[in-house]
Amino acid sequence: AQSVTQPDIHITVSEGASLELRCNYSYGATPYLFWYVQSPGQGLQLLLKYFSGDTLVQGIKGFEAEFKRSQSSFNLRKPSVHWSDAAEYFCAVGADSGGYNKLIFGAGTRLAVHP
Amino acid sequence: SAVISQKPSRDICQRGTSLTIQCQVDSQVTMMFWYRQQPGQSLTLIATANQGSEATYESGFVIDKFPISRPNLTFSTLTVSNMSPEDSSIYLCSVGLSGNTIYFGEGSWLTVV
Repeated sequence: AQSVTQPDIHITVSEGASLELRCNYSYGATPYLFWYVQSPGQGLQLLLKYFSGDTLVQGIKGFEAEFKRSQSSFNLRKPSVHWSDAAEYFCAVGADSGGYNKLIFGAGTRLAVHP
Repeated sequence: SAVISQKPSRDICQRGTSLTIQCQVDSQVTMMFWYRQQPGQSLTLIATANQGSEATYESGFVIDKFPISRPNLTFSTLTVSNMSPEDSSIYLCSVGLSGNTIYFGEGSWLTVV
């Protein structure tokens, strides 16, 4: 069965610093991978997704993620964090039983940004 | 892009009552998905709603507690029955469209008192 692990529950970075949020997945074939962000009191917003092709995916708000099959990872990165990036970040994998539209989410990583 | 609207957006409910959440999509979709997000937690899939057939529930969720209707290709409802404070959550519906794009509604924020 598919699963997603986000090893870091909380991360704190200084504004302007670089960021990397870790995500590991368990899936037999090529996974469909997603990163979502949820600001306090808000709904989910898709940052980026990976289905195939180039393993480095560009998303919105300056985020990117790299798919590494050998490490079963799909880590999210941003070169310079802004205070407005403080939010909860979820990695998810599409389950094939739902036509890849059924998502299995990781536990999430809460990002705090210090001024 | 798809637009998903959920109603109600927020509600405060008395324990023991039931509440029905509606999800309307502006495109026809085969599958609709219902998720729950408990306070401070991640999203957990409740069930998959297919038009014309019974919903498929994930482990830990049962039809008596979360009955789902799917009368057509653009609409679904989720009922949270006999609510207790533990049901206080955000309930979200989701659909997938061509281009492998998955859309989420804004969520229905339920508080049970």
